[in-house]
Amino acid sequence: AQTVTQSQPEMSVQEAETVTLSCTYDTSESDYYLFWYKQPPSRQMILVIRQEAYKQQNATENRFSVNFQKAAKSFSLKISDSQLGDAAMYFCAYRTRGYQKVTFGTGTKLQVIP
Amino acid sequence: EAGVAQSPRYKIIEKRQSVAFWCNPISGHATLYWYQQILGQGPKLLIQFQNNGVVDDSQLPKDRFSAERLKGVDSTLKIQPAKLEDSAVYLCASSPMDGIAYPSPLHFGNGTRLTVT
Repeated sequence: AQTVTQSQPEMSVQEAETVTLSCTYDTSESDYYLFWYKQPPSRQMILVIRQEAYKQQNATENRFSVNFQKAAKSFSLKISDSQLGDAAMYFCAYRTRGYQKVTFGTGTKLQVIP
Repeated sequence: EAGVAQSPRYKIIEKRQSVAFWCNPISGHATLYWYQQILGQGPKLLIQFQNNGVVDDSQLPKDRFSAERLKGVDSTLKIQPAKLEDSAVYLCASSPMDGIAYPSPLHFGNGTRLTVT
């Protein structure tokens, strides 16, 4: 079974600075997908960014980018120019290619300091 | 497009009572998920449907939890009887089949916060 580990329960960053959230996973599969989701206090999970394992190029979405290291099974999220609205829980997620099973990590609570 | 709808938003019950949650996924989404999220933890998959068939229910406590997906659209999750440890947020999510270019993400509802006293 796949497992996802987020070793940082909480992180903080100054507004306008850059922060990196860590995620590692365990799998025996060679083809899969990885996601970062954001969960603000309103509870609704929102997709931040996604990465296909067969793509070597790291995904980027505006201020959000990932560092995907397949051999190390690492998938970190970098948030540049942090904004107050980035404060939330961030979850790393692993998805199988076949029947779309999605496994989440335990989350990292990000605090943005004005 | 309309999002994933869940109801109720909050529910408080006493232990040993029963409760049901409802989810209406995004139209056309074949896959539907129920997750349990205990405070301070990540979502844990309870059950996954593809159309109206069960794909994965390995972590569903089947002695007290049940779920069905009616005609491959709406879904209900039931707990009977509830225990104190069932206090959590229950999240419903849906996903279309993968597109050619991109893996499909999950689209989540707002969740139901259950408190068992």
